[in-house]
Amino acid sequence: AQSVTQLGSHVSVSEGALVLLRCNYSSSVPPYLFWYVQYPNQGLQLLLKYTTGATLVKGINGFEAEFKKSETSFHLTKPSAHMSDAAEYFCAVSRSSGNTPLVFGKGTRLSVIA
Amino acid sequence: NAGVTQTPKFQVLKTGQSMTLQCAQDMNHEYMSWYRQDPGMGLRLIHYSVGAGITDQGEVPNGYNVSRSTTEDFPLRLLSAAPSQTSVYFCASSYSEGGPYEQYFGPGTRLTVT
Repeated sequence: AQSVTQLGSHVSVSEGALVLLRCNYSSSVPPYLFWYVQYPNQGLQLLLKYTTGATLVKGINGFEAEFKKSETSFHLTKPSAHMSDAAEYFCAVSRSSGNTPLVFGKGTRLSVIA
Repeated sequence: NAGVTQTPKFQVLKTGQSMTLQCAQDMNHEYMSWYRQDPGMGLRLIHYSVGAGITDQGEVPNGYNVSRSTTEDFPLRLLSAAPSQTSVYFCASSYSEGGPYEQYFGPGTRLTVT
């Protein structure tokens, strides 16, 4: 079975500060990992994904995440927060083989303070 | 492409009423799924389908029915609505051959059951 744990249901940062959103996963097979963002009253939008190969993945809006197998982590970072980054962020995992659904974490709400 | 569309956007039901949430996609995706989103719970999978005529249960299937007669459509039926089904419902779709299984989300349906 797969699972995702997002540490911190709410993270608050100052504008211009580093954003770090934590995600740890559990999977019995090599995983595919995703970060999605949800702006208020909208659906989810893919930020970035890890499949195979390079462990540092760059996504949209300046976000990146690093797959660390030894730590079973896939933390999301952005060097400098912008007010427009305020949203809810979801980490998700799926198996790298077969037709299996995504398993989502409970989400982290990011607030950006001016 | 319209992507993934959902109707209605908002719905209020009385306990015991039935209704169907509509979901359609025009990307020729084999895989479609329904999630519900509740505060602090992330997204939880209700039902999913890997192709026309094939459906399976997710994490929280009770009280919901689905069918998949075409590739494009994947309606979700509430047979007898209960207040516990008050939630935001998201439909998603993706390709199912190969990987990774990036899912495209609709804008959601906000359902209130009184």
